[in-house]
Amino acid sequence: QVQLVQSGAEVKKPGASVKVSCKASGYTFSGYYMHWVRQAPGQGLEWMGRINPNTGDTNYAQRFQGRVTMTRDTSITSAYMELSRLRSDDTAVYYCARVGTTFNAFDIWGQGTMVTVSS
Amino acid sequence: DIQMTQSPSTLSASVGDRVTITCRASQSISSWLAWYQQKPGKAPKLLIYKVSTLESGVPSRFSGSGSGTEFTLTITSLQPDDFATYYCKQYSSYSQYTFGQGTKLEIK
Repeated sequence: QVQLVQSGAEVKKPGASVKVSCKASGYTFSGYYMHWVRQAPGQGLEWMGRINPNTGDTNYAQRFQGRVTMTRDTSITSAYMELSRLRSDDTAVYYCARVGTTFNAFDIWGQGTMVTVSS
Repeated sequence: DIQMTQSPSTLSASVGDRVTITCRASQSISSWLAWYQQKPGKAPKLLIYKVSTLESGVPSRFSGSGSGTEFTLTITSLQPDDFATYYCKQYSSYSQYTFGQGTKLEIK
């Protein structure tokens, strides 16, 4: 079945970087954009950016420009989101999500990865 | 950037009720509007895309409508499983996506 499986929880210190992975299966990985969305504890959803797995082209939300890097490895059908210069307010659950044939809507989501930033 | 404003932030209703959640965009977003349902500790689930198209497997008691800057999600005959938080999301031609702040649907 179509699924996205993310890497496990992370604890990082302020100023460090974190890299979250998202393993896709059950569909043609390069055929669908992959997005990253985060959710701080008790808060709403925040779009971070997207990657075209076919070309590697990316678009980032303005507030993350310069701090986020999205990449992919088509040989292992995985997408990655790296966030640098972490702050305490980056503590959140990070989700990968696929856009299917759904007009820019996210039809498949990963299970989420909790990233905690604490000294 | 396009801002999305949902109302109400919290909605109390009973099983069997009909409820409507509104999402307003700061400028016209054409048809690039989707709705998601999220339950505590779970990833969001796509309910509706392109304003009114029901995602496969979503019950027909969910419906979406609207155009331009104002959109609504309606749930008829609320079921116990529907109590959750709902988010609208837009896509703009500048390759940017924005979520509404969410509407928590609670049992009255």
